[in-house]
Amino acid sequence: SQQGEEDPQALSIQEGENATMNCSYKTSINNLQWYRQNSGRGLVHLILIRSNEREKHSGRLRVTLDTSKKSSSLLITASRAADTASYFCAMGLNSGNTPLVFGKGTRLSVIA
Amino acid sequence: DTGVSQNPRHKITKRGQNVTFRCDPISEHNRLYWYRQTLGQGPEFLTYFQNEAQLEKSRLLSDRFSAERPKGSFSTLEIQRTEQGDSAMYLCASSLREANTGELFFGEGSRLTVL
Repeated sequence: SQQGEEDPQALSIQEGENATMNCSYKTSINNLQWYRQNSGRGLVHLILIRSNEREKHSGRLRVTLDTSKKSSSLLITASRAADTASYFCAMGLNSGNTPLVFGKGTRLSVIA
Repeated sequence: DTGVSQNPRHKITKRGQNVTFRCDPISEHNRLYWYRQTLGQGPEFLTYFQNEAQLEKSRLLSDRFSAERPKGSFSTLEIQRTEQGDSAMYLCASSLREANTGELFFGEGSRLTVL
């Protein structure tokens, strides 16, 4: 069963705006990862945050993690049309010995 | 590094037929995963291997599904007596256990349509 829920399910913004996607999960995690998927393609890893971290940055991406609320957010700053894709959070449930559990995803549309 | 390769990319079959998908992982990766994704949903775990050993299978993997990784390199996923509900994208991913992060490298997927 999927243990992650992204919010919103779909998001439409103008180019240049920031996009924020949220992920809530149910169990204790070792790490939380975000992936991107262009339509009909495979998933691409974006960023990983460990359970003892609160915030990480990678280029235009900023991820936060609140283990007390079992939630994470992904912020994409200064969005571009090329950022249009589905974004999934994935929970790593222990040190890496069990498969990632994915959420249902947020479909982001960036309008030029 | 050629990435994870999946074949065929698309398969259309009639209900009741058998289909087989192949996945070639990144060469040095010892873990290989199969996920299934339906439209508008996230990937759902099916099974994974460490080298040639199948370590875990999801309840989603009915007895019509079988996966192998005979030499610890490529893997096949076979679906017997396909049903319309099997229509989905079948995603393969690989990883290096020693990386200890669980980060997965995905192929482009094999889309199955059962008529």
